[in-house]
Amino acid sequence: EPEVTQTPSHQVTQMGQEVILRCVPISNHLYFYWYRQILGQKVEFLVSFYNNEISEKSEIFDDQFSVERPDGSNFTLKIRSTKLEDSAMYFCASSGQGENTEAFFGQGTRLTVV
Amino acid sequence: KNEVEQSPQNLTAQEGEFITINCSYSVGISALHWLQQHPGGGIVSLFMLSSGKKKHGRLIATINIQEKHSSLHITASHPRDSAVYICAVDGNTDKLIFGTGTRLQVFP
Repeated sequence: EPEVTQTPSHQVTQMGQEVILRCVPISNHLYFYWYRQILGQKVEFLVSFYNNEISEKSEIFDDQFSVERPDGSNFTLKIRSTKLEDSAMYFCASSGQGENTEAFFGQGTRLTVV
Repeated sequence: KNEVEQSPQNLTAQEGEFITINCSYSVGISALHWLQQHPGGGIVSLFMLSSGKKKHGRLIATINIQEKHSSLHITASHPRDSAVYICAVDGNTDKLIFGTGTRLQVFP
């Protein structure tokens, strides 16, 4: 069964460092998302991406965040200068040919900023 | 007020019990999703529905659009059903809005 894969599964970084979280969405999907879940809290939307551009972003997704689909298969989330409060589980998701189709989630990357 | 509310927050059951988890939402939606999150953190999609009822194995999901309410039922619950169950709505935007989740523990 096709699946969304995320790497790394865990990342520890020092405050102020840049991190890149990587995702390989399901191959024929067109819509891509990043969500995050701070420990003990609910999952929050960060950004959606379609047709090689951001289609929607939340207030959390400020200038320190960026997304890219560099090679037609990977979908990355970059955090330029990490802060302690960026520590969370980051989930990538993708969905199919149209809007309002089922979203498939990756296993998540647990980011710890120290 | 949260746009998506779930109840209960925590639920404990004995193996074999019938379980119901409820979700209410306050926004207009095009679809509602039930998701399962295991202790390791990964999220699995269980159902996406926009009307009526869907069944998959021992899981049943229903939605009442007029009342803005959905339920997830688990029949003949088993310890392996222990997880966090999350309701999320697709509010006609490019994002899902998540509930806080219901933590279910099923004991043998």
